[in-house]
This record gives sequence, C-alpha cells and structure tokens, in this order.
Amino acid sequence: AQTVTQSQPEMSVQEAETVTLSCTYDTSESDYYLFWYKQPPSRQMILVIRQEAYKQQNATENRFSVNFQKAAKSFSLKISDSQLGDAAMYFCAYRRANAGNNRKLIWGLGTSLAVNP
Amino acid sequence: DTEVTQTPKHLVMGMTNKKSLKCEQHMGHRAMYWYKQKAKKPPELMFVYSYEKLSINESVPSRFSPECPNSSLLNLHLHALQPEDSALYLCASSRTANTGELFFGEGSRLTVL
Repeated sequence: AQTVTQSQPEMSVQEAETVTLSCTYDTSESDYYLFWYKQPPSRQMILVIRQEAYKQQNATENRFSVNFQKAAKSFSLKISDSQLGDAAMYFCAYRRANAGNNRKLIWGLGTSLAVNP
Repeated sequence: DTEVTQTPKHLVMGMTNKKSLKCEQHMGHRAMYWYKQKAKKPPELMFVYSYEKLSINESVPSRFSPECPNSSLLNLHLHALQPEDSALYLCASSRTANTGELFFGEGSRLTVL
C-alpha cells in the first residue's frame, strides 16, 4: 500500500526567508502524481503545486518549487521569500496515475507552517 | 475566490435531527467528493461521484447519505449523527475522477450535540 510521510509536524520561518517542507512516499508504481496542498486557518484547501512522476523537471509556481527525487521517493516543497499569508497547514499527497477505481488521494499528516514577522 | 460553494458554513444539530449539507460547482467538473476532516488532520475520503453515479463509498455509516442530483450539485444528508461526527466536511470536485487535481470548497463545520 502507498504511504506518504511528512516528518515535520510543525515548522517556522522568518518573513522573507526560505523554508523547505519535506515529504517522502512509498509506492511500487512507476507512474503517479504528487501534490502539495495548502490549508490556511479557517480557509479552504488549495492546490499549491503538482508533479507528474514521469517528468524529470521539478515543478515551480512563482515562489513555490519542489525538489522531486524519484529514486529516493522524496518530494520536498521550497517556499522562497516567505510571506505572512503562507502560514498554513501544508499537506503532501500522492495518487496513482492509472487509478481505475482506486482514485483516492493518499495524504500525509501535514506540516503546520508559521511565518514570523 | 472559491469555485466550489458549500452551504451552510456552520451547522449545529442534535443527534435526532435531520439536516443536509450542500455543494455546488460550475466548472463543468464530472467528479465530486465528500471528505471529513478533523482538526489538524488530513481529509478522509467519504464518497466519490463520477458522472453523477456513486463510484466510491469508503464504508461510511448509513447515517450519512450522499446524493448527486446533477453534475453541478452534491448533497450530504445527515440523520441520527453522533457527537464524534462533529468535523469539517469538505466538498471537492475534479475534471474527472481520474484527474487528481481537486478543487475544494471552504467546508461546512458541523457540530453534533
């Protein structure tokens, strides 16, 4: 069975600094998707970034980028120039590419990020 | 801006009440989902609808009854709930059930007394 591990329950960063959130996963599949979702306090869950396993190039979205190491099964999220609005719970998630009826997202337990002014 | 709208945002109900949560999306998505989320935990999948048909039920107790009247609407009917059912209920949609990119609503926070 696939699993997703986020080893940092809580992290903090100074405003304007860079922070990296870690995520590792376990799967025997070769084709899959990885996601980082952000959930601010009392706000909706939004997709931050998505990576297809068959793509070697790391995904980037403005200040957010990932370091995808397929062999190591690692998918870390780097947030550059941190802003107060980045404070949130961040969830790493995995999904098989050819899921058929198994369409579930497998979620990590989350990392709570605080941004200090 | 949210493109998945959930109502009500907050709901308090007794264990004998019947209530419903509603979800609406206008993105043309053909898959819709109900998740349950406890504080500081990841969402737990409850139901998946694909093309208005129930495709996944994660062994959810029958006191939760989903309904998908059309491709834009998703309801969750609640009856005889327990206090441990108190949680944030999230609706999500995706282009199809095979597209993993979910768009979430803001959730309905349910308290069962």
